[in-house]
Amino acid sequence: AQRVTQPEKLLSVFKGAPVELKCNYSYSGSPELFWYVQYSRQRLQLLLRHISRESIKGFTADLNKGETSFHLKKPFAQEEDSAMYYCALKKDNAGNMLTFGGGTRLMVKP
Amino acid sequence: NAGVMQNPRHLVRRRGQEARLRCSPMKGHSHVYWYRQLPEEGLKFMVYLQKENIIDESGMPKERFSAEFPKEGPSILRIQQVVRGDSAAYFCASSGTSDTQYFGPGTRLTVL
Repeated sequence: AQRVTQPEKLLSVFKGAPVELKCNYSYSGSPELFWYVQYSRQRLQLLLRHISRESIKGFTADLNKGETSFHLKKPFAQEEDSAMYYCALKKDNAGNMLTFGGGTRLMVKP
Repeated sequence: NAGVMQNPRHLVRRRGQEARLRCSPMKGHSHVYWYRQLPEEGLKFMVYLQKENIIDESGMPKERFSAEFPKEGPSILRIQQVVRGDSAAYFCASSGTSDTQYFGPGTRLTVL
């Protein structure tokens, strides 16, 4: 069965520092990977997906099939980036269900 | 477009009672997904429905839980004879022709 692991429950960085939120997955097929973000008092929303290969709010993520990783990166963190971040996987052959990691809380200190 | 709506936002039930959670998808969306989030955990898929059909219920507990998405009206997640372990946040998402899932604000169920 597929699995998504986010090893860090909490990541604390200072404003302007680089940030990397780790995501590893296990799945034998060709998955699609996503990052979702939940800001305080807001609903979960899609941040980016690997097939789009785009940068949203300065964040990027590259799918590394060799390492089965999809780490989220931003070179200079901002205070407004503080939120819960969830990595998610969609299998290539079975509907649209998403498998989520446990989430990482990012705190960006001034 | 108001987005995915869920109600109630908070629901308190005593053990043995029934809980009904409602989800209205975004306008034009015909796919609905339910996820459960236990404390300190990520979201876990429960069920995927299209209008009047259950497409994938592989994440649903075998007993006490059921879901429907009728031709008219919201999708309903029903939990019979609730137990303390059912206390969680239940999230609904919907999608349309693209497969991007848009999430509702969630219903927080507390079982006393």
